[in-house]
Amino acid sequence: KAGVTQTPRYLIKTRGQQVTLSCSPISGHRSVSWYQQTPGQGLQFLFEYFSETQRNKGNFPGRFSGRQFSNSRSEMNVSTLELGDSALYLCASSPPTGGGPDTQYFGPGTRLTVL
Amino acid sequence: QQQVKQSPQSLIVQKGGISIINCAYENTAFDYFPWYQQFPGKGPALLIAIRPDVSEKKEGRFTISFNKSAKQFSLHIMDSQPGDSATYFCAAAQRQLTFGSGTQLTVLP
Repeated sequence: KAGVTQTPRYLIKTRGQQVTLSCSPISGHRSVSWYQQTPGQGLQFLFEYFSETQRNKGNFPGRFSGRQFSNSRSEMNVSTLELGDSALYLCASSPPTGGGPDTQYFGPGTRLTVL
Repeated sequence: QQQVKQSPQSLIVQKGGISIINCAYENTAFDYFPWYQQFPGKGPALLIAIRPDVSEKKEGRFTISFNKSAKQFSLHIMDSQPGDSATYFCAAAQRQLTFGSGTQLTVLP
């Protein structure tokens, strides 16, 4: 089975722009979670989608949003980029058994640099 | 509170030695405690996990010890190998994962 796929792998944007990141979960997985990883704050939970509905949300401003499509693929959008948004954005998918945090499989991440 | 505190920040061990990483949590509602391993340029990979009804779980060279009353859990890597050099994250979860700050492990050959 193919793993979690994230595109693009690297992205450079300037302050004020917006960005959309994409995540394709493992085939058959219906839950997709997004995390932000920075050296200072570590790994922080952004939000989780299950069957096209946001199920959980972390403590991030409204500039961070996401959605999930009927094929379970998910996108994350960050509007009005700030320098502090520079991070590795990780997507993780979970199998449909309960859809909880256990057995999350992470993708390689998208490295976003904001100049 | 949702914090998970992890120590040490970095660890250097000789090949064949034991690596020990500790984590402490505050929220007693957490019911799932995984450890993740992350290599540079890769996403975290689940290494081993435990539920609070078990005090120890062993998988190969990796062991989780869990102390519910102290709200602490630890990862032991026996016979550490240079290939184990990576960043290790503990996490705790109820509905979503809350991660520790990570430990950079270096195993010297």
